[in-house]
Amino acid sequence: AQSVSQHNHHVILSEAASLELGCNYSYGGTVNLFWYVQYPGQHLQLLLKYFSGDPLVKGIKGFEAEFIKSKFSFNLRKPSVQWSDTAEYFCAVIYNTGRRALTFGSGTRLQVQP
Amino acid sequence: DVKVTQSSRYLVKRTGEKVFLECVQDMDHENMFWYRQDPGLGLRLIYFSYDVKMKEKGDIPEGYSVSREKKERFSLILESASTNQTSMYLCASSWGGGKGSNEQFFGPGTRLTVL
Repeated sequence: AQSVSQHNHHVILSEAASLELGCNYSYGGTVNLFWYVQYPGQHLQLLLKYFSGDPLVKGIKGFEAEFIKSKFSFNLRKPSVQWSDTAEYFCAVIYNTGRRALTFGSGTRLQVQP
Repeated sequence: DVKVTQSSRYLVKRTGEKVFLECVQDMDHENMFWYRQDPGLGLRLIYFSYDVKMKEKGDIPEGYSVSREKKERFSLILESASTNQTSMYLCASSWGGGKGSNEQFFGPGTRLTVL
């Protein structure tokens, strides 16, 4: 079955620390890749997406992600986190099976301490 | 701006009740989706629809049904609510294939508690 794995369930960082959240997917074909963020009490928002082209994708609020096809990975990075980045982060994949629905990872709760 | 609205933010129902969750989008999107979000499990797909009167089962359809009578509206129905359906329910929509990207836009969610 197609799946998405997020290995870090809960991450605690101090402000200005660097962030990397792991995401691996299971399918070997063409995929569309996404990172969504959910701030406390708010709805899911798109951080960034990858469809094709440059495997290094830049998103909003200084986030970026790198697609490494050989590793089936799409890790999220930010060089210097802020307290306002405290949120839950979800990696999601659309597998090119025509279903068009997202398959989500289990999420990573990021807590940034001031 | 795409707007996806859900009829209630919080809902409390009793076991056995029939529950309707409504979702409306204002961007003429073809695709609409219902997910449920549970801690440690992420979001799981319940049902989706590519067009009016069309529906497809997702990964966890048991105990749910859907209705799409108009393009902008997608309803999730719990025929007989049970306590294990206590969850956050999220609606999303996106453009159809070949039109724009596959990015999905989410509503604010309905937190349903079944007692």
